[in-house]
Amino acid sequence: ETGVTQTPRHLVMGMTNKKSLKCEQHLGHNAMYWYKQSAKKPLELMFVYNFKEQTENNSVPSRFSPECPNSSHLFLHLHTLQPEDSALYLCASSQETGGGTEAFFGQGTRLTVV
Amino acid sequence: GENVEQHPSTLSVQEGDSAVIKCTYSDSASNYFPWYKQELGKRPQLIIDIRSNVGEKKDQRIAVTLNKTAKHFSLHITETQPEDSAVYFCAASGRGGSNYKLTFGKGTLLTVNP
Repeated sequence: ETGVTQTPRHLVMGMTNKKSLKCEQHLGHNAMYWYKQSAKKPLELMFVYNFKEQTENNSVPSRFSPECPNSSHLFLHLHTLQPEDSALYLCASSQETGGGTEAFFGQGTRLTVV
Repeated sequence: GENVEQHPSTLSVQEGDSAVIKCTYSDSASNYFPWYKQELGKRPQLIIDIRSNVGEKKDQRIAVTLNKTAKHFSLHITETQPEDSAVYFCAASGRGGSNYKLTFGKGTLLTVNP
């Protein structure tokens, strides 16, 4: 266990559904990230949160909506997704000290959009 | 922003041989270069990292070299074993907006044949 937990592990949803992915870290880190992993783009950064504030939105479509209520929790709200959004969604956390540090990943949520 | 290129995309070696994976990056301000290993169905995990003030780092059978002038870094695995089979990702940490963030290469699928 790396201290980053994601739920659910698997999710199948229709294109008109609304669902949320949850990530929790028990490492006391100050930064959290959402990555999308697919065959075309193996580790694509989506969002960055530092001290609960969003500092990066990597041109992600609005059907993906992140939420970070505190430094330990991160959500990804999903709405009217497309089949091409099917992928593994990985959450990660790190302790940012101004120079880049190790990111600890959760086990991911395997999302299938039907 | 940062762009990381990784080669080769696939690498097959015989057990006991060495494996080398190479990455280049574009942002001369990047200062942290980690390597992650992702086994099938598992999360990416850090195996070794190097900072810009160091040219080489070793940890048992794994070594990483960095050439800041040429903006490339490499992973070297000696005496490969079947359990080294996995996807390996390089990354570079550069400043994006108000936060440092990791940009990953596309990964190398390493297969070690017994």
